[in-house]
Amino acid sequence: QSALTQPPSASGSPGQSVTISCTGTSSDVGDYNYVSWYQHHPGKAPKLMLYEVSKRPSGVPDRFSGSKSGNTASLTVSGLQAEDEADYYCISYAGSNTFVFGTGTKVTAL
Amino acid sequence: QLQLQESGPGLVRPSETLSLTCTVSGDSISSSSYYWGWIRQPPGKGLEWIGSIHYSGTTYYNASLKSRVTILVDTSKNQFFLKLSSVTAADTAVYYCAMYSSSTSRYLFAFDVWGQGTMVSVSS
Repeated sequence: QSALTQPPSASGSPGQSVTISCTGTSSDVGDYNYVSWYQHHPGKAPKLMLYEVSKRPSGVPDRFSGSKSGNTASLTVSGLQAEDEADYYCISYAGSNTFVFGTGTKVTAL
Repeated sequence: QLQLQESGPGLVRPSETLSLTCTVSGDSISSSSYYWGWIRQPPGKGLEWIGSIHYSGTTYYNASLKSRVTILVDTSKNQFFLKLSSVTAADTAVYYCAMYSSSTSRYLFAFDVWGQGTMVSVSS
């Protein structure tokens, strides 16, 4: 189980859109629609932002959206706000109750 | 509201066994669709899934840690536990416990409840 590949960093001006990719394999991202995304502020617990590729938990703004094509999932933050600055991680189900985590992306609002 | 809280020593000696407890409140650990997991984050690095357990005792481990990891559950105390043997400095990390569900009544196969995390340092 190798980690899912994410870009180390992504940035955008407030109001712009930022998209983060999460690349796995045909054994995880490509095989299951159980990709979730997490926002992680240092010192706090990670927060679930998307599940099943593109579904938002209650309370998560609709500025956060997700998609998947083949072995790559993506998270898009539209209308970037200062409070969106954080580390973002993807996690994919890999079968038999196992999971693979992404390498993490630091999002900065310029 | 389901809540998780990690507890355990903040310092472990090299070659010894790291032991942590996660206490579940607000719901029963014995719910058939809930799975309880451990995740860690070394300083300056990303999150890593360690393993998970079902209340029945069935365990699932990260292959890279499997030889050193044991996860246990005590349904009478609504707690589950992590034991990581033969620790080295590379095991220094913030350790989180978290929950995911296999039911569509929650967020399917997503860790939607997390503890606040506990820092464990491995040093002599």
